[in-house]
Parts: sequence; C-alpha cells; structure tokens
Amino acid sequence: DAKTTQPPSMDCAEGRAANLPCNHSTISGNEYVYWYRQIHSQGPQYIIHGLKNNETNEMASLIITEDRKSSTLILPHATLRDTAVYYCIVKGSSNTGKLIFGQGTTLQVKP
Amino acid sequence: KAGVTQTPRYLIKTRGQQVTLSCSPISGHRSVSWYQQTPGQGLQFLFEYFSETQRNKGNFPGRFSGRQFSNSRSEMNVSTLELGDSALYLCASSSYRDSYNEQFFGPGTRLTVL
Repeated sequence: DAKTTQPPSMDCAEGRAANLPCNHSTISGNEYVYWYRQIHSQGPQYIIHGLKNNETNEMASLIITEDRKSSTLILPHATLRDTAVYYCIVKGSSNTGKLIFGQGTTLQVKP
Repeated sequence: KAGVTQTPRYLIKTRGQQVTLSCSPISGHRSVSWYQQTPGQGLQFLFEYFSETQRNKGNFPGRFSGRQFSNSRSEMNVSTLELGDSALYLCASSSYRDSYNEQFFGPGTRLTVL
C-alpha cells in the first residue's frame, strides 16, 4: 500500500509557483522521497528525489520537513505543460525497481 | 540516447487468449520493471527483472509472467486474458548504478480485452 497521502487535485495559475504537498508520516530513516509526474497518456516521468535535505534541479525543488514526515514539491513557474498527475513516492534502497504509486495529485495549470 | 521502447503500442485481444508485450530498456540499463495502470486501481507494480532474474514481484496472479534476456530486453506475458486485464502496461528501466537512480518509463502498451 502507498505510504503517502496527497490531495486529489490542485489548481495553479500559469506563471505562478505550484506547491504540491505530500504526507509520509511513517517514513523510515533509510527511505527516500521521490516525485514523478504523468502527463495524460504518457509514461510517468521522474522529477526529483531527496532524503533529508532540500533538493533543487532544473525542473523543481523539493522541501522536506525536519522530521521528514512531509514534503512539498515546488514548480517555481508553472506552465500549461505542467498539467499532470504528480505522484509522491517513498522508496527504500532495498526495493530498487519497485515503486508504489498512490493516487497522486492532479495539478491543473490554468491560463 | 534512445528512450525506453515498448511494442506494440496498442493491442486488442479476446477473453481467454494470451498476449506478450515487449520492452527495450535504455542502452546500458540492466533493471526493467513492469506496471499495470487502470482507472480503478491506478499504477500497480507487476515485477522487476535484473540481469535476467526476477528481483521483485507485485501482487498479481500467476497468469502474469515475465522474463528478461541477456541484452536486458524484457517481455511480459498474460495468459487466459480476462476483461479486467484491459489496461495500460508500462515498463521502466534503470541503470542501477546505485539504489537511488530514477526510473525511465516507456510510453506503454494499451491492451484492450474484449
């Protein structure tokens, strides 16, 4: 079963920051937080992952709380092409190829 | 470099038949995972292969099987198809240089069972 809880849907205005929350209160010390997104009818796409420190790449930033029980994915300047389902996944190193997807958050970016 | 490819992209079968789906990972990737996506159950992990060995398995009946070849290409087979097997089947590959590598997904095979 998924170890994460996400809101089912969110809206964001184009050009504004999109902040997608995720709760993972049962995360273990060696488990990472991964974010993937799935644009309609395509395969999921990796966005970012982190353990305890905040992470940033060209796509997004990941903010993990100090107690690691929740995190926020930030898309700094959302565009219409960012409309997708965003999945927050907790994964340990022992399950290398096994991703447990929850229901995700459907982000709708509006003009 | 080329991404993950899956063939065929679309498939229509009838109940009771069997089907084989193919996945070619990114060159150099040794791990291939398979997922089933349906509107009701979402994305569910089927199994993972690494160096021709099944390393992880999800909670699916034995009708679902897979294998991996020495060139890392993978196939999954579903026997005695049921209507509920209609789904998007996705495969993903990973280089597994360490345990934290991202998975690269293919476009999927859309299977319709009539």
